[in-house]
Amino acid sequence: AQTVTQSQPEMSVQEAETVTLSCTYDTSESDYYLFWYKQPPSRQMILVIRQEAYKQQNATENRFSVNFQKAAKSFSLKISDSQLGDAAMYFCAYRSKGKLIFGQGTELSVKP
Amino acid sequence: KAGVTQTPRYLIKTRGQQVTLSCSPISGHRSVSWYQQTPGQGLQFLFEYFSETQRNKGNFPGRFSGRQFSNSRSEMNVSTLELGDSALYLCASSLLARPGRSTNEKLFFGSGTQLSVL
Repeated sequence: AQTVTQSQPEMSVQEAETVTLSCTYDTSESDYYLFWYKQPPSRQMILVIRQEAYKQQNATENRFSVNFQKAAKSFSLKISDSQLGDAAMYFCAYRSKGKLIFGQGTELSVKP
Repeated sequence: KAGVTQTPRYLIKTRGQQVTLSCSPISGHRSVSWYQQTPGQGLQFLFEYFSETQRNKGNFPGRFSGRQFSNSRSEMNVSTLELGDSALYLCASSLLARPGRSTNEKLFFGSGTQLSVL
């Protein structure tokens, strides 16, 4: 069975600094997709970035980028120039056969 | 364009009762999936519907059921409520769907229904 592990329950970053959130996953499948979701206090899950497993190039979305290491089954999220609005719960997720498997989440706080 | 709408936002029930939660997807979206979020178990997949058919099901007891209507709106029902069913229930919809296949399509989530079972 596929599993997703986020080993950092909480992280903190100074405003304008860079922070990296870790995620590892376990699978025997070759066709899958990886995502990072953000859940602010409003509770609505918001897609931050996504990565196709067959692509070598790391995905980038503005201040957000990933470091995808397929052999190591690692998928970390880097947030550059952190802003107060980035404070939220971040979930790493693996998509397989129509369902998302989520990690336990990392709560990110941003200090002004 | 309206987002995914879940009703009600909050619900309080007692053990043994049943509950129905509603999800209206974004217009044009045909795929709807449901997730349960609890502090202890995190986010867990419940079911996925596409064109009124359940395409995928998570590891939940038969007390959890769902359906999808011809307009893509979906409901989930929990019968004989237990204290452990207290959770945030999230619904997500997507435009393109290859039912039962992996895909990178974007899921749009609603704000959830917070269910408390007393």
